[in-house]
Amino acid sequence: KAGVTQTPRYLIKTRGQQVTLSCSPISGHRSVSWYQQTPGQGLQFLFEYFSETQRNKGNFPGRFSGRQFSNSRSEMNVSTLELGDSALYLCASSPIGYSYNEQFFGPGTRLTVL
Amino acid sequence: AQKVTQAQTEISVVEKEDVTLDCVYETRDTTYYLFWYKQPPSGELVFLIRRNSFDEQNEISGRYSWNFQKSTSSFNFTITASQVVDSAVYFCALSEVYNSGGSNYKLTFGKGTLLTVNP
Repeated sequence: KAGVTQTPRYLIKTRGQQVTLSCSPISGHRSVSWYQQTPGQGLQFLFEYFSETQRNKGNFPGRFSGRQFSNSRSEMNVSTLELGDSALYLCASSPIGYSYNEQFFGPGTRLTVL
Repeated sequence: AQKVTQAQTEISVVEKEDVTLDCVYETRDTTYYLFWYKQPPSGELVFLIRRNSFDEQNEISGRYSWNFQKSTSSFNFTITASQVVDSAVYFCALSEVYNSGGSNYKLTFGKGTLLTVNP
């Protein structure tokens, strides 16, 4: 089975722009979660989608949003980028979701905001 | 609020040494889950183990072993006879009930421990 894939792997944007990141889960997995990883704050949970519905949400401003499609692929959008949004964004999938189950992570998208 | 502390920011050992990574957690829930994940330089997190709060049995998997002690809120990870390929950042994580309904869970990670195994 192919693993979790994320595109693009690297992205450079400037302040004020918006960005969309994509995640394709492992085939058959219906849950997709997103995490932000920075040197200062570490790994922080953004949100989880299951069957096209946001099921769980972390403490991030409304500039961070996401969606999930009927094929379970997910996108994450960040609007009005700030310097502090520079981070590694990780996507994780699992069959039924919920953070108490094992999650399978993708390689991440490295976002740099200039 | 739940919290995970990995006090060791960086550890450096020589190959074949044993090394223990510490993890201390805080939670008000009686039902929770603990995890260890490994993040090699390639970036993706790799699942190592999951434990629920009712299972305090220690576990051994090859060179890896885990010691879960509810009395001290610790879930430590030991690598025996370390190898260069073990070099990575290791994260301890905690999942507890996110809301009173019990249907949602939130995963909280520690800051991670960078393990470097030198040949």
